[in-house]
Amino acid sequence: GAVVSQHPSWVICKSGTSVKIECRSLDFQATTMFWYRQFPKQSLMLMATSNEGSKATYEQGVEKDKFLINHASLTLSTLTVTSAHPEDSSFYICSARELAGVYNEQFFGPGTRLTVL
Amino acid sequence: QQQVKQSPQSLIVQKGGISIINCAYENTAFDYFPWYQQFPGKGPALLIAIRPDVSEKKEGRFTISFNKSAKQFSLHIMDSQPGDSATYFCAASMGTGFQKLVFGTGTRLLVSP
Repeated sequence: GAVVSQHPSWVICKSGTSVKIECRSLDFQATTMFWYRQFPKQSLMLMATSNEGSKATYEQGVEKDKFLINHASLTLSTLTVTSAHPEDSSFYICSARELAGVYNEQFFGPGTRLTVL
Repeated sequence: QQQVKQSPQSLIVQKGGISIINCAYENTAFDYFPWYQQFPGKGPALLIAIRPDVSEKKEGRFTISFNKSAKQFSLHIMDSQPGDSATYFCAASMGTGFQKLVFGTGTRLLVSP
């Protein structure tokens, strides 16, 4: 099956710093990538949708200036959490939809655990 | 109208038993209904998915039952094993636009040995 990787798998940073998370589709080209946030024992909350070469579409209530998304190629999307604060600590997960794949199907990455001190 | 309601919140099943998780939706424009399995600290993995043109789909020990008129679908795990202990999420999406997934709230399944 299609494989999506994320890097890093976990990161600890100080309050006020910025953190970049990478999401890569390893063996397929992704037209669309999605970024989710998940708090402990809760469901996945969609943050934004990104298409290669265009600006990301953010969900209501998600600050686009705080969560910068770049989808520079068909295999790479990045999420940058700017000026991170403890309340940004969460599990961030990306997913990707294959260019020539099954309609609607999304493949998820392993997630990145962000802890802001 | 965009919500997907999932129940139960948690479930304990004995080894060898059948686990049943239910989901309901309102938006009749949804046309893709996947189930995901998530282990602690990992991303969700697609288990099985169904489209509304069929009422049932089976893959190994996993079966989705779909009731279009009731706007409900369920996951059945036959011969449940301790290794099935995980959180299960149902989801739904439409074929238009970005085809975003709307997730249910999740069910924590524990299969006792």
